[in-house]
Amino acid sequence: QSVLTQPPSASGTPGQRVTISCSGSNSNIASNIVNWFQHVPGTAPKLLIHSNDQRPSGVSDRFSGSKSGTSASLAISGLQSEDEADYYCATWDGSLTAWVFGGGTKLSVL
Amino acid sequence: EVQLVESGGGLVQPGGSLRLSCAASDFAFNIYTMNWVRQAPGKGLEWVSHISSSSYTIHYADSVKGRFTISRDNAKNSLYLQMDRLRVEDTAVYYCARGNHNGPSLFDYWGQGTLVTVSS
Repeated sequence: QSVLTQPPSASGTPGQRVTISCSGSNSNIASNIVNWFQHVPGTAPKLLIHSNDQRPSGVSDRFSGSKSGTSASLAISGLQSEDEADYYCATWDGSLTAWVFGGGTKLSVL
Repeated sequence: EVQLVESGGGLVQPGGSLRLSCAASDFAFNIYTMNWVRQAPGKGLEWVSHISSSSYTIHYADSVKGRFTISRDNAKNSLYLQMDRLRVEDTAVYYCARGNHNGPSLFDYWGQGTLVTVSS
């Protein structure tokens, strides 16, 4: 059971907008920055969003992040087949003194 | 281009030991915090350990505390993970990931990973 809760799966058709949620608590999301990662099995995970809503250089502006209270969200607009991957949120948990990852959301593009 | 290359994975029996290495290049390794993250077969990403740039601050996940030791050699641009008393549940791909030079870890660069298999 992960400290951060994500839906196990999400799906959409090409061109659609999809949102993935990440639910935590006062000791993690509410108090610290949230990062989002894209992971295609067999490859290195890729940072998509850092510091809640900041896109690293080179990441498409179709990806956006937000945070409110104990929850964070990743939105993907203009869905493309290449977006099929696993998506993870992560943040620092001050009570655990540990980085925590969500359980991951498998995104399917139908 | 920033590069992180892990090595040292392999097959080990339960109770055994293994030392992973991560060679860093093309960035100022000595000012960055670093992390190890793993992914067990069919599971999600799990943070394992963090070390500050000077090695002063170190944190471990509860699942490895007392068995794993993170260290670094800034002169060699290298990060290490000494894994002792290995368990079957430690079987995973282990990634090193760059943290930050100023603030919370961003995990902005990752290696390709090295596979550790713990089995008799």
